[in-house]
Parts: sequence; C-alpha cells; structure tokens
Amino acid sequence: DAKTTQPNSMESNEEEPVHLPCNHSTISGTDYIHWYRQLPSQGPEYVIHGLTSNVNNRMASLAIAEDRKSSTLILHRATLRDAAVYYCILDEFGNEKLTFGTGTRLTIIP
Amino acid sequence: ETGVTQSPTHLIKTRGQQVTLRCSSQSGHNTVSWYQQALGQGPQFIFQYYREEENGRGNFPPRFSGLQFPNYSSELNVNALELDDSALYLCASSARTGAGNTIYFGEGSWLTVV
Repeated sequence: DAKTTQPNSMESNEEEPVHLPCNHSTISGTDYIHWYRQLPSQGPEYVIHGLTSNVNNRMASLAIAEDRKSSTLILHRATLRDAAVYYCILDEFGNEKLTFGTGTRLTIIP
Repeated sequence: ETGVTQSPTHLIKTRGQQVTLRCSSQSGHNTVSWYQQALGQGPQFIFQYYREEENGRGNFPPRFSGLQFPNYSSELNVNALELDDSALYLCASSARTGAGNTIYFGEGSWLTVV
C-alpha cells in the first residue's frame, strides 16, 4: 500500500491560514491524493482530492508538488470548526480503496 | 450531509453473536466500501462492492462478509463476534464513472461487543 507521512499534530490561530503537509514519496503516476477530516464520533468528511494539478474548492486548496512526492492542504482562514483529525490518503490507481494513516490532529486556538 | 446513511447508529452485542449493519448509499452511487475504525485509530478497509460484486478485500477474516443489492444499498455481516470487533463501522460510497471519484462516508455504526 502506498504510504503517506503527516505530522501527528499541529496548532493554528483562528482566522489565520493553515498549511497541513503530507509526504508521499512512493506515489505512483496513477495514485490520487485525497484529504479527509474527521471530528470525534463522526464519519470522515471529504475535503478535497487531486492527481497532478493544484485544486481549489469551497473548503480548501490542495497544492501538489511538481514531483508529486508531497502535497499541502491549505485552509485559507481557520475557524474553530476546522479543529479535527486530517487524513492525507493515496487512492492507488483511483480504485477507491483508501488506506488511512494516523492523520494530523489540528487544534485551532481562539 | 453526504447522502450516505447507516443503521443502526449504536448497538451492543454479546461475544459469539452475529451482527448485520446496513448502508444506504448516495443516489446514483454504484460502489460501496466498508471500513472498521477502532478507538484512536484511522479507518481500516474491509472490502468493496461494485455493482453487486465484491471488488477487493482488506486484511479481515472470512467471518466479515457483505452484500450489495440491486439498488446499491449494502450490508456488512460479522459472525462469531469477538471483543476486538468493537469499533465504528463506516460505509463509503461513490459513483464509479472512472478514476478519481469523490468518496462520501456515512456517520457510521458503533458496535460494542461485550
């Protein structure tokens, strides 16, 4: 299974941008990069995904390195509701069988 | 709101019993996957169904089985329950129209085995 590496935890101030890093040095050309977040006692919530180009949606932006060995999830203006565990996942060949790691626990400081 | 609904939300079973968990996927979604999430860990892939056929399985024993129906709803069955089966069971669905589809999760079913 393709692996990702994320920091265990991060903190950010409310109303400031947050950059969540993810390393995936063994990524192959057909692996999609997915980001999900999970609040306690809830199912994972889709945030964003991409293959090669940077992606934007209403929740966040995904910046993918040119060599695709790393990516960064960008929350443009953090709110308290963004506090969650964020998972960076490689979807191998786009087959939708996700291998979750331990994720990054994001704390937002008021 | 993801359109993926799971039932029941919580249940308690005794070791050795059998359990059936249900998932109604988002309209138009033909692919359903099931995940197990133990406390404090990330979700682990159990298996996937695509158009009523099993389409891949994770490292789970045969007592974990599933079904997908013509309307693409799905069931997860676990036989001979063990204490370690206590976990949040998550269903995820997608419309498999090629690669790179968006995958949506339900809120899960909390299973406690005593």
